[in-house]
Amino acid sequence: AQTVTQSQPEMSVQEAETVTLSCTYDTSESNYYLFWYKQPPSRQMILVIRQEAYKQQNATENRFSVNFQKAAKSFSLKISDSQLGDTAMYFCAFMKQALSGTYKYIFGTGTRLKVLA
Amino acid sequence: NAGVTQTPKFQVLKTGQSMTLQCAQDMNHNSMYWYRQDPGMGLRLIYYSASEGTTDKGEVPNGYNVSRLNKREFSLRLESAAPSQTSVYFCASSEWGSGAKNIQYFGAGTRLSVL
Repeated sequence: AQTVTQSQPEMSVQEAETVTLSCTYDTSESNYYLFWYKQPPSRQMILVIRQEAYKQQNATENRFSVNFQKAAKSFSLKISDSQLGDTAMYFCAFMKQALSGTYKYIFGTGTRLKVLA
Repeated sequence: NAGVTQTPKFQVLKTGQSMTLQCAQDMNHNSMYWYRQDPGMGLRLIYYSASEGTTDKGEVPNGYNVSRLNKREFSLRLESAAPSQTSVYFCASSEWGSGAKNIQYFGAGTRLSVL
C-alpha cells in the first residue's frame, strides 16, 4: 500500500529565511504525481506545487521549489524568502490511479509551519 | 469563479441525527471526492466518484453514503451521526485523463460536531 510520511509535525522559520519541509513516500509504481498543498488558518486547501514523476527536473513556483529524489522516494519542499503569509499547515500528497480509472490522492499527516517576524 | 462550493460551513448534530453535506463544482470536472480531516491524521478519503453515475469507497467509508446526483453535484450523507464523525469534511474535484493536470480543487470545508 502506498504511504506518505511527513516526519516534521511542526517547524518555524524567521521571516526572509529559507526552510525545507520533508516528505517521503512508498510506492511500487513508476509513473505518478506528487503535490504540496498549503492550508492556512482559513482551512482552504491551496495547491503550492506539482511534480510529475517521469520528469527529472525539479518543479519550481516562484519562492517554492522541490527536491525530488525518485530513487530515494523523497519529495521535499523548499520555501525561500519566507513570508508571514506562508504560515500554514503543509500537506504532501501522492496521486495514484484508482481501479475505476480516475486518480486518488494519499495525503501525509502535515507539517505546521510558523513564520516568525 | 466559484470552483467547489460546500454547504453548510458549520453544523452541530446530536448523536443519531442524520444530515447531508452538499458539494457542487462548476469546472466541468469528471471526478469528485469527499475527505475528512482529523488532527494529526491529514486528509482521509471517504468516497469518490470517477464520473457521473459511479461511486467507490475510499479509506474510511463506514457510516457514510454518497450520491453523484449529476456531473456537478456530489453529496455525502450521515444516516445516524456518531461522535466519531466529528471532523472537518472537504469536497474536491479534478479532471483526469490524457493531457489533464490531475490537480484536485477543494471546497472550503464543513466543520461538523456530533454531540
